[in-house]
Amino acid sequence: DAGVIQSPRHEVTEMGQEVTLRCKPISGHDYLFWYRQTMMRGLELLIYFNNNVPIDDSGMPEDRFSAKMPNASFSTLKIQPSEPRDSAVYFCASSWDRGGYGYTFGSGTRLTVV
Amino acid sequence: RKEVEQDPGPFNVPEGATVAFNCTYSNSASQSFFWYRQDCRKEPKLLMSVYSSGNEDGRFTAQLNRASQYISLLIRDSKLSDSATYLCVVNKVGRDDKIIFGKGTRLHILP
Repeated sequence: DAGVIQSPRHEVTEMGQEVTLRCKPISGHDYLFWYRQTMMRGLELLIYFNNNVPIDDSGMPEDRFSAKMPNASFSTLKIQPSEPRDSAVYFCASSWDRGGYGYTFGSGTRLTVV
Repeated sequence: RKEVEQDPGPFNVPEGATVAFNCTYSNSASQSFFWYRQDCRKEPKLLMSVYSSGNEDGRFTAQLNRASQYISLLIRDSKLSDSATYLCVVNKVGRDDKIIFGKGTRLHILP
């Protein structure tokens, strides 16, 4: 199994531009999570899906952020328009359980908004 | 009180020494506990689950103290390769269970 695959690995964009982050979960995992990590705030859950349905998006910072999961093998996190304070590492993780067992993280996307 | 709280460190420990750090959690109803390890510029990876009776995996021992609401991680005979950030993870019990990550404790093993 290739694990959770995220793209791109690095993204540098100008303020105001749209950014799309992509994730392919592990096949058979019913849960997909999007996290954001910064030095100040640590690892924060943004949103998670169960069987492609968004369950909890209370961590999404504001309307500029949106996430979709059109099928079991693909999810996107979009930021439009991007701002410098969005600079962080964004991780996607998938699991067969929402309670903490079997979480596997992707390698992350390091986003820099200038 | 924060949901999950850890000493950020860094802990600077000579190779071969024993090191231990704790993590406190605020929700007494939490049921699942884990330690994750994160290397610099890498993703977090599960190190071990923490069971009520405590558990050991080689040089690593995890303990749970429900009365005082903390979990601990003990590393014996530390190796240079143990240098990393250790994240405490606790499940948030509620209508929608989800896990909460601590900000991590940085560990530097010194040669």
